[in-house]
Amino acid sequence: GQQVMQIPQYQHVQEGEDFTTYCNSSTTLSNIQWYKQRPGGHPVFLIQLVKSGEVKKQKRLTFQFGEAKKNSSLHITATQTTDVGTYFCAGPRVGANNLFFGTGTRLTVIP
Amino acid sequence: GAVVSQHPSRVICKSGTSVKIECRSLDFQATTMFWYRQFPKKSLMLMATSNEGSKATYEQGVEKDKFLINHASLTLSTLTVTSAHPEDSSFYICSAVGQGIDTQYFGPGTRLTVL
Repeated sequence: GQQVMQIPQYQHVQEGEDFTTYCNSSTTLSNIQWYKQRPGGHPVFLIQLVKSGEVKKQKRLTFQFGEAKKNSSLHITATQTTDVGTYFCAGPRVGANNLFFGTGTRLTVIP
Repeated sequence: GAVVSQHPSRVICKSGTSVKIECRSLDFQATTMFWYRQFPKKSLMLMATSNEGSKATYEQGVEKDKFLINHASLTLSTLTVTSAHPEDSSFYICSAVGQGIDTQYFGPGTRLTVL
């Protein structure tokens, strides 16, 4: 069945260090979305990537969609304590109008 | 941006009782709403897809008679956990999508504890 895996599962970084999470889908995706969930909170939409090889930036966050549209990455430059949370990628579920969420990467930033 | 509310945010109930959770899109018409369940430190697990005016589509392994979903209007969907048991304790999150929009907007979630 369809799978969306993210690595690493957990990441602890010192404040100011960079962070990257990788998302790998078992199927080709028409688009990929990224969400952030703060501890105790709900997922909040960050961005959607549609084109093969697309790169988008949001301040210190850089999102990339792979050429084959099966993988994606989120890179955070110079992490801050406000970046703490779990980052999920999500892609359209095959044959349905809903999303398949990745396993998530939980980021901890040590001040 | 689009706002989705959920009520209640937290509920504690006794085993055997039923609990209703409401999900509302406040500033847009939600053609589709989704109900997720999330266990601690785990990803979101889709339970069902709810389209306004039609029966919900349940994911494999989700009991439709236990998790009743009603999407009576374009701004409201409800999830009723019937005859709740302690194993139903979880974080339930809804999301909504407007017509022609890919992005899902999530409600703040409902933490259900069944004693």
